[in-house]
Amino acid sequence: GESVGLHLPTLSVQEGDNSIINCAYSNSASDYFIWYKQESGKGPQFIIDIRSNMDKRQGQRVTVLLNKTVKHLSLQIAATQPGDSAVYFCAVHSGGSNYKLTFGKGTLLTVNP
Amino acid sequence: DAGVTQSPTHLIKTRGQHVTLRCSPISGHKSVSWYQQVLGQGPQFIFQYYEKEERGRGNFPDRFSARQFPNYSSELNVNALLLGDSALYLCASSSSVSGLTGYTFGSGTRLTVV
Repeated sequence: GESVGLHLPTLSVQEGDNSIINCAYSNSASDYFIWYKQESGKGPQFIIDIRSNMDKRQGQRVTVLLNKTVKHLSLQIAATQPGDSAVYFCAVHSGGSNYKLTFGKGTLLTVNP
Repeated sequence: DAGVTQSPTHLIKTRGQHVTLRCSPISGHKSVSWYQQVLGQGPQFIFQYYEKEERGRGNFPDRFSARQFPNYSSELNVNALLLGDSALYLCASSSSVSGLTGYTFGSGTRLTVV
């Protein structure tokens, strides 16, 4: 089955800096990838997604990069703000008839003013 | 337009009891998935239902069951509760069975088993 790992459980940055959160996955058949933000006491909130036929996708202040060769995914947040403080999860959809997301353990992002 | 709604928001149960959690998907979404999130971990897949049929099941014991109704709302049932069932239970809806159109999560039900 799929396994999803994370490089760093915590990340602390200064307000205004750029943040990079990384994720690794195991299944080369994975076809869809989503980054979620979860604040305390809330459910995961969609940030950005990317399909396996793309390498990069940009949103408002966020960019997701996908490297299928090494099965690596990253989320870049530009000009990080205190409101970005939360736990960030990557979720991987493994394709085929496997209709589920496999989540990593999450990275706690702390933004210092 | 309402998002994914879950009820109740919090629940305290005793070991051995039974619990029913409820989820209403986004209007027009026919797929509902359930996830369990224990403290400090990422959500773990329990079930997916589409058009009232089970389409996927995670590695959970038979004490966990679910169903989907004609209006696409869903219930998650857990029997013979154990202390280890204490977690945040999340419901996610999607407009497609594959989920490739994205998943929207509710705020969850916080279950505490004492």
